[in-house]
Amino acid sequence: DARVTQTPRHKVTEMGQEVTMRCQPILGHNTVFWYRQTMMQGLELLAYFRNRAPLDDSGMPKDRFSAEMPDATLATLKIQPSEPRDSAVYFCASGLAGVSAYEQYFGPGTRLTVT
Amino acid sequence: AQRVTQPEKLLSVFKGAPVELKCNYSYSGSPELFWYVQYSRQRLQLLLRHISRESIKGFTADLNKGETSFHLKKPFAQEEDSAMYYCALTAWQGGSEKLVFGKGTKLTVNP
Repeated sequence: DARVTQTPRHKVTEMGQEVTMRCQPILGHNTVFWYRQTMMQGLELLAYFRNRAPLDDSGMPKDRFSAEMPDATLATLKIQPSEPRDSAVYFCASGLAGVSAYEQYFGPGTRLTVT
Repeated sequence: AQRVTQPEKLLSVFKGAPVELKCNYSYSGSPELFWYVQYSRQRLQLLLRHISRESIKGFTADLNKGETSFHLKKPFAQEEDSAMYYCALTAWQGGSEKLVFGKGTKLTVNP
């Protein structure tokens, strides 16, 4: 049963530190989405990639967030420097281009706490 | 601009009672709407889509274009329905399709 994996599952860090979250999409999927989940804002789309190229990162604070896909099996979301307001659960999802966006498969999330 | 509104952050009902989770949307086109569910400590997963007009786990949702609503309903709630529910629509932007989510409603079904 293929699944999206994310590491780490939990991360506690101090304000100002760099945080890197990793996502392994389902093998063969060529679209990757990054979401942030908070109680106040719900699920927000931060960025998404198709065939490793960024298609839309308008939801991402550009000054401190960056997202990349170094290869087809790895997507990263980096925050530098981190701030307490970044505390949230970050989800990665993958899907297939040409298939409706609703057919996304979500990872378990990375719960980030910035103190 | 496309938007999904879920007016209730929290909803609490008793087991066996009817439940309705509200969702309103704005979209300049013909939307595709969905409900996603996230049970405690589990991944977000698709619950149902309006096109299929199916009932999943006793839940149904009807798209009302006149009221721009897609409310999720179940006649008799069960404790295992307690979860976070997100309404979403697919939107085209920049030649690509993406999901736009509401802020979610946390449903608690009390025994």
